[in-house]
Amino acid sequence: DAKTTQPNSMESNEEEPVHLPCNHSTISGTDYIHWYRQLPSQGPEYVIHGLTSNVNNRMASLAIAEDRKSSTLILHRATLRDAAVYYCILNRVTSGTYKYIFGTGTRLKVLA
Amino acid sequence: KAGVTQTPRYLIKTRGQQVTLSCSPISGHRSVSWYQQTPGQGLQFLFEYFSETQRNKGNFPGRFSGRQFSNSRSEMNVSTLELGDSALYLCASSYDRVFVNTQYFGPGTRLTVL
Repeated sequence: DAKTTQPNSMESNEEEPVHLPCNHSTISGTDYIHWYRQLPSQGPEYVIHGLTSNVNNRMASLAIAEDRKSSTLILHRATLRDAAVYYCILNRVTSGTYKYIFGTGTRLKVLA
Repeated sequence: KAGVTQTPRYLIKTRGQQVTLSCSPISGHRSVSWYQQTPGQGLQFLFEYFSETQRNKGNFPGRFSGRQFSNSRSEMNVSTLELGDSALYLCASSYDRVFVNTQYFGPGTRLTVL
């Protein structure tokens, strides 16, 4: 079954860029790649999503490998408020139904 | 606009009991999904409801069920509780089916089974 693989934890200094990798080698052609993050004691919140092309929004950028077997979430300038668990998710659509496949997440620690 | 609300926030039950959790989606959102989060298994998809119909289901036993009302509010029921059902149960709403739509999560209901 499809799955995503992420490092358990990463550290970054405040105001520096952060690159959070995700491996999804079993991705299929119609799977969307989503990223959510979960701050302490809160439900996950949407960060960004994409299919094939790189995507940018006010929160982050998503770089998708040409073969789509991996992607990288880029936080351009990490702040202390970005400390959270970041989940890379495949949204697999099959015959009108879908499966939301969560990875184990990367715990990002931001150092002041 | 008010966010997704879940009640109750905390719940303690004993094995064998049943429990009902409630979720009120963001106004105008028609899809509600439920997730279970545990330290061991992480986040797992339970089911999605859209227009009062279950549209998708994860790999959970039949003890886990849900429903959606005409106002899009949703309830989740777990019968014959087991110790392993202790978890944070998260509800998420989206405007339409969760193919590419953003999901908005509630704060969750923490269920403890003794």
